[in-house]
Amino acid sequence: AQKITQTQPGMFVQEKEAVTLDCTYDTSDQSYGLFWYKQPSSGEMIFLIYQGSYDEQNATEGRYSLNFQKARKSANLVISASQLGDSAMYFCAMREGVDAGGTSYGKLTFGQGTILTVHP
Amino acid sequence: EAQVTQNPRYLITVTGKKLTVTCSQNMNHEYMSWYRQDPGLGLRQIYYSMNVEVTDKGDVPEGYKVSRKEKRNFPLILESPSPNQTSLYFCASSLSTGYGYTFGSGTRLTVV
Repeated sequence: AQKITQTQPGMFVQEKEAVTLDCTYDTSDQSYGLFWYKQPSSGEMIFLIYQGSYDEQNATEGRYSLNFQKARKSANLVISASQLGDSAMYFCAMREGVDAGGTSYGKLTFGQGTILTVHP
Repeated sequence: EAQVTQNPRYLITVTGKKLTVTCSQNMNHEYMSWYRQDPGLGLRQIYYSMNVEVTDKGDVPEGYKVSRKEKRNFPLILESPSPNQTSLYFCASSLSTGYGYTFGSGTRLTVV
């Protein structure tokens, strides 16, 4: 079974509007971390936001927020006030085996990615 | 500047000719990892290392070798490259804590 599933191969949004990119995950670990990365057309991987499984509050970083629903095993990325520069591929990823102190086993598993296009 | 440096950025090679892609980080990170990215498959982990002389296979290790003799370096070796190893490769490093990896700029490898 897929550990990380991104069901939206492509998404379109109008500039200045909000958009939600979906991510569901599968793990039997109690402690894990969830990440979103952005990959623009230039190819580099840019870290956006992190959510720990024990974190009670949803993570936020500027215009990015992570809608974490633990019981549903979903970790959707919300981008508010989209900008043309947000057009890119977005990857959801999970790091399993993170203990309460934050130390992990190191493996990061990625979803297939969602291509976001922002229209002017 | 804190970074992960991969070389080369682009490489075209022929089937069977051994090659090494270098990776170096200056952040004193314990964890280092190699990924390959293919269309529709996302990034898949090839090998990872939790510290010097400690390495383990990821999801797609066949055809690759790694070594971690020093903390800062984690080279990826293709002993006998084949066309199905044509891909975009990323090296990444991380602290042992559960935070995200810092990625290198990527190496686009073509095997003909």
